Amino acid sequence: EVQMVQSGGDLVQPGRSLRLSCIASGFTFSDYDVSWVRQSPEKGLEWVGFIRAKASGGATEYAASVKGRFTISRDDSKSIAYLQMNSLKIEDTAVYYCLRPLYSAGWRVPAYWGPGTLVTVSS
Amino acid sequence: DIVMTQTPLSSPVTLGQPASISCRSSQSLVHSDGNTYLSWLQQRPGQPPRLLIYKISNRFSGVPDRFSGSGAGTDFTLKISRVEAEDVGVYYCMQATQSPQTFGQGTKLEIK
Repeated sequence: EVQMVQSGGDLVQPGRSLRLSCIASGFTFSDYDVSWVRQSPEKGLEWVGFIRAKASGGATEYAASVKGRFTISRDDSKSIAYLQMNSLKIEDTAVYYCLRPLYSAGWRVPAYWGPGTLVTVSS
Repeated sequence: DIVMTQTPLSSPVTLGQPASISCRSSQSLVHSDGNTYLSWLQQRPGQPPRLLIYKISNRFSGVPDRFSGSGAGTDFTLKISRVEAEDVGVYYCMQATQSPQTFGQGTKLEIK
């Protein structure tokens, strides 16, 4: 059974950093891209970025709103994906989801979603 | 970015009756590989989104066959043939043809 377990959400002050983790099981993690999506009442569902599987080059891509502040990485030996968030802003407040696509060869079908972890940025 | 517009934003439905949600994209969602990466998601209260339909009309594993998707180009529809109590929640369309992937505003399905 495919499972994505998330951790790391917290209350942080503006300008600080936070790292979210997404631990996967039930499949060969290294074969799949991993995406991050966030959800807030103000903006709804918003794509944050993704990291390709190493077989697809391991590239990362980010939304314009987080580019330069957020970094997605992966440790295939531990089946973990990370979302490093720096210089956090109040508007980054959201529930963050990691997700695995349906196919091993692409990120375009968002099949399996983690439970989400809440990040609150407030002074 | 491609803008996804859903109608209606709220849909009160009687149990056992059909329901329909429309989604329109600001650009064609046909990818150069010939696929149309339009998905429908369901989000029940307090839960993460769940994939229902992908590539316009393909039901994801475990999704009841009362859910169906149709459409082409820029206009898409999710239909529920007979609404059940467990279908209450918010439904989103999502495109992944072009990066960044973008989502509709959501349609709240509620029971009359």
